[in-house]
Amino acid sequence: AQTVTQSQPEMSVQEAETVTLSCTYDTSENNYYLFWYKQPPSRQMILVIRQEAYKQQNATENRFSVNFQKAAKSFSLKISDSQLGDTAMYFCAFISNAGNMLTFGGGTRLMVKP
Amino acid sequence: GAGVSQSPSNKVTEKGKDVELRCDPISGHTALYWYRQRLGQGLEFLIYFQGNSAPDKSGLPSDRFSAERTGESVSTLTIQRTQQEDSAVYLCASSPGRGVYGYNSPLHFGNGTRLTVT
Repeated sequence: AQTVTQSQPEMSVQEAETVTLSCTYDTSENNYYLFWYKQPPSRQMILVIRQEAYKQQNATENRFSVNFQKAAKSFSLKISDSQLGDTAMYFCAFISNAGNMLTFGGGTRLMVKP
Repeated sequence: GAGVSQSPSNKVTEKGKDVELRCDPISGHTALYWYRQRLGQGLEFLIYFQGNSAPDKSGLPSDRFSAERTGESVSTLTIQRTQQEDSAVYLCASSPGRGVYGYNSPLHFGNGTRLTVT
């Protein structure tokens, strides 16, 4: 079974600064995908960024980038130039290429302060 | 519609009553998922549909929980004899599933149904 761990229940950052959210996972699979989802108070889960395990290059989406360390089974999210609208819960998630289920971490609550 | 739609948005029910939660996935999405999110916690997998069949029901917490899907479209999650511990947000998600994109297609989530059992 796969597990996903987010060790930071809450974090805060000043507007315009950079913050990194941590995620580690455990799997015996070699082919899988990793995701970061954002959940604002509206409750909807919004995909922020995704990474295919077979790709060595770290994924980047505008102000969001990841540091994917496959050997260490680590998948951190870096948010640059933080904005007030980035305030939300952030969930790291894993799915193996052969699996049916997206496994989520417990989430990190991020507060961006003006 | 353009996205995954869930109804009702909020539901308050008395302990012991049955409730039905509805999910309308994105048109053409063959895979449909139900997750439960307790207050301040992560998402807990409940059940997965591929088409109208449910190859993975491993997450259903008890026999009070059941789900069905018809026409490879709408899904309903039914909770019988609700308990206070069932209070949570129930999230539905859909994806194109296996096929052209395989599993690198991300899940598209609805806004969830907040269930409160009093």
